[in-house]
Amino acid sequence: ILNVEQSPQSLHVQEGDSTNFTCSFPSSNFYALHWYRWETAKSPEALFVMTLNGDEKKKGRISATLNTKEGYSYLYIKGSQPEDSATYLCAPNNAGNMLTFGGGTRLMVKP
Amino acid sequence: KAGVTQTPRYLIKTRGQQVTLSCSPISGHRSVSWYQQTPGQGLQFLFEYFSETQRNKGNFPGRFSGRQFSNSRSEMNVSTLELGDSALYLCASSSLGPRVLHEKLFFGSGTQLSVL
Repeated sequence: ILNVEQSPQSLHVQEGDSTNFTCSFPSSNFYALHWYRWETAKSPEALFVMTLNGDEKKKGRISATLNTKEGYSYLYIKGSQPEDSATYLCAPNNAGNMLTFGGGTRLMVKP
Repeated sequence: KAGVTQTPRYLIKTRGQQVTLSCSPISGHRSVSWYQQTPGQGLQFLFEYFSETQRNKGNFPGRFSGRQFSNSRSEMNVSTLELGDSALYLCASSSLGPRVLHEKLFFGSGTQLSVL
């Protein structure tokens, strides 16, 4: 069973602030790292799937980086908006589609 | 294109009963996986099916079982329900199956199971 840690557990920011959170995972047997956004009363939605060390992905104001050698990924949100309020989940993929999810970072953006 | 559909949306059962949850993946997706979400444990992997075969299984007791049909629809069954089985059960589909490890998952809205 993989140990996947996300920090912080929760985060309150003001609209317009930029923020970032961390996902730590074992670096052995690594194949891919997934990031999902889960808004209240909705389904988790894929943000990024990253596979290569040094990979950087960007989607609008959200970006992510990956370090597979040391086992971590950062998710950045530039100029947070209230609609960014959600729980952000990371999950390494070490065997097929068996994702091991971290506990998530709950982001709340105040207008 | 319709998303992943899970039925029912809510379910209330009593201890000792059994329950069956259904998941219809996105058309053309052949891989279906199931996850359990509880406040204390977060999202935990139950099992994954590809072309009617269980390819991966998480660390859950044998009371949890599943199957996949030839049209890729999947069902999950929990027998002899316990209070601790109260959770949100999510299924997710992907198009290329477990050999393509970087394929993102598409999740359904889940079935909220309450065991009284």
